[in-house]
Amino acid sequence: DTGVSQDPRHKITKRGQNVTFRCDPISEHNRLYWYRQTLGQGPEFLTYFQNEAQLEKSRLLSDRFSAERPKGSFSTLEIQRTEQGDSAMYLCASSFSPGGNYGYTFGSGTRLTVV
Amino acid sequence: SQKIEQNSEALNIQEGKTATLTCNYTNYSPAYLQWYRQDPGRGPVFLLLIRENEKEKRKERLKVTFDTTLKQSLFHITASQPADSATYLCALNAGNMLTFGGGTRLMVKP
Repeated sequence: DTGVSQDPRHKITKRGQNVTFRCDPISEHNRLYWYRQTLGQGPEFLTYFQNEAQLEKSRLLSDRFSAERPKGSFSTLEIQRTEQGDSAMYLCASSFSPGGNYGYTFGSGTRLTVV
Repeated sequence: SQKIEQNSEALNIQEGKTATLTCNYTNYSPAYLQWYRQDPGRGPVFLLLIRENEKEKRKERLKVTFDTTLKQSLFHITASQPADSATYLCALNAGNMLTFGGGTRLMVKP
């Protein structure tokens, strides 16, 4: 296991298009998180899963955003009808529940640019 | 409102000196606080965790303190090196996830 993998690393899309990102967490971890980060800011929480259940969603997560984690393994984050304000780095992280002792392991992120 | 504040201005220090970064929070009662390092274009990397009942935690050249009365954590890097140049993020548990501060950029000059 080489850590948390995210794909693609970079995505440029036209406004109004749909995009989907994938995250493969560390296999032993049962929690998976999505964060969004803009330049000069810290990561902002979007949503998290424990196994396959999506347990919490941020108010930042509009109805254009949807996340899934089928079978409690990899996760996808889809953004429909992208807007320029969606341009950001989308980070995925995984951890042992409840995650306090060892921190989160983050992937390298997917940088989205909406033109 | 809830806030986690880190100095948004970059911290510039000379190699060999001790870097001290500050994290202040309001309207949180965290059970623990974590520090992460983030390099440009990469995800954050976990460094240290300190619990509310711990005053200080050390790991190699790193030291973290946690004062729940002042609602503040200090992060120290001793004998700093140019390779320590990065953005450092503090994060605390808020419910079931971590909430992050905005980070402080550290530049260590040779």
